[in-house]
Amino acid sequence: GAVVSQHPSWVICKSGTSVKIECRSLDFQATTMFWYRQFPKQSLMLMATSNEGSKATYEQGVEKDKFLINHASLTLSTLTVTSAHPEDSSFYICSGLGPPSYNEQFFGPGTRLTVL
Amino acid sequence: AQTVTQSQPEMSVQEAETVTLSCTYDTSESDYYLFWYKQPPSRQMILVIRQEAYKQQNATENRFSVNFQKAAKSFSLKISDSQLGDAAMYFCASGGSQGNLIFGKGTKLSVKP
Repeated sequence: GAVVSQHPSWVICKSGTSVKIECRSLDFQATTMFWYRQFPKQSLMLMATSNEGSKATYEQGVEKDKFLINHASLTLSTLTVTSAHPEDSSFYICSGLGPPSYNEQFFGPGTRLTVL
Repeated sequence: AQTVTQSQPEMSVQEAETVTLSCTYDTSESDYYLFWYKQPPSRQMILVIRQEAYKQQNATENRFSVNFQKAAKSFSLKISDSQLGDAAMYFCASGGSQGNLIFGKGTKLSVKP
């Protein structure tokens, strides 16, 4: 199956700093990438959808100036959490969608962000 | 709006027995897909089984099968011969033609030895 990687897998940062999370599709071209947030014991909440070369579409309630998403290539999308605060601490998961299957998302292993 | 409802926050099954996880959904799309994902403690999302809504035949993957009732908008997952490794969170999801997914709140499955 298709493989998606995320880096880093775990990051700790100080409040007020910015953190970048990378999501890579290793063996397919992800024309669309999704970013999710998951709090402990809860479901995945879609934050934004990005198409390669286009601006991301953010879900209602997600601050686009705080969660910057870049999808510059068919194999790489990045999520930057700007001026992180403790309430941004969460588990962030990305997924990719691309040929030949446009109906099945392939998920990365997730990134645990802890903001002190 | 699309919604996915999992009414069982937790379920338990004895090893080697069969368990069924429930899921209902609502969607305005005519072309949609349904999925069951497993999330073990590692938190990696693993696709268990998928069902194309246009197919009447229920999908099966080894010990995992679904009961897809389109008119009732029901999509339950049956796990046969449960194994200790099946213990995890299970999420039901509905996918539209654009590939977006709506997840249910999940069911935590415990397997007793």
